[in-house]
Amino acid sequence: AQSVTQLDSQVPVFEEAPVELRCNYSSSVSVYLFWYVQYPNQGLQLLLKYLSGSTLVKGINGFEAEFNKSQTSFHLRKPSVHISDTAEYFCAVTMMDSSYKLIFGSGTRLLVRP
Amino acid sequence: DVKVTQSSRYLVKRTGEKVFLECVQDMDHENMFWYRQDPGLGLRLIYFSYDVKMKEKGDIPEGYSVSREKKERFSLILESASTNQTSMYLCASSLHGGGGSGGYTFGSGTRLTVV
Repeated sequence: AQSVTQLDSQVPVFEEAPVELRCNYSSSVSVYLFWYVQYPNQGLQLLLKYLSGSTLVKGINGFEAEFNKSQTSFHLRKPSVHISDTAEYFCAVTMMDSSYKLIFGSGTRLLVRP
Repeated sequence: DVKVTQSSRYLVKRTGEKVFLECVQDMDHENMFWYRQDPGLGLRLIYFSYDVKMKEKGDIPEGYSVSREKKERFSLILESASTNQTSMYLCASSLHGGGGSGGYTFGSGTRLTVV
């Protein structure tokens, strides 16, 4: 069965510092991978996705993620964060077949301090 | 851009009431989903639908039902609301199964409080 693990429930960081949010997944078949962001009192917004090809994918708001098949990871990074990046971030995975469902991790709250 | 609209942002209901949460999408998506979101638990799938009048149970369907009479509308029904159903409810839609290459598009959420 598929599963997604986000190891950190909360990541505090100072403004303009780099950040990495970790995501590991488990699946017996090939997968699509996604990162979503949720700002306070809002729904989820797609940040970026990995489908195939280059393992480094770039998304909105300066975020990027790297797919590592051998380590079954899809960590999210940003070289310099802003206060406005404070939000909850969700990693998600779906199998490359007819599955109807995305499987979500439990989320990581990024808290950017001035 | 695809829009998923949830009719209420905040809702307060009494224990035992029948509650309807409405969700409408405007891009002819086949698949629609209802999740609940609770602190520390992430998103948990309640029900989903891959076609009109079709529905499938998700991971936590107990106490809920759904209705999809038209392709664009997917309703979540709490048959008899209880305090443990106080939560944020998120609706989502996708063109392809599993989100395919596009992922899901989410509504803004309905924060339901049952008193």
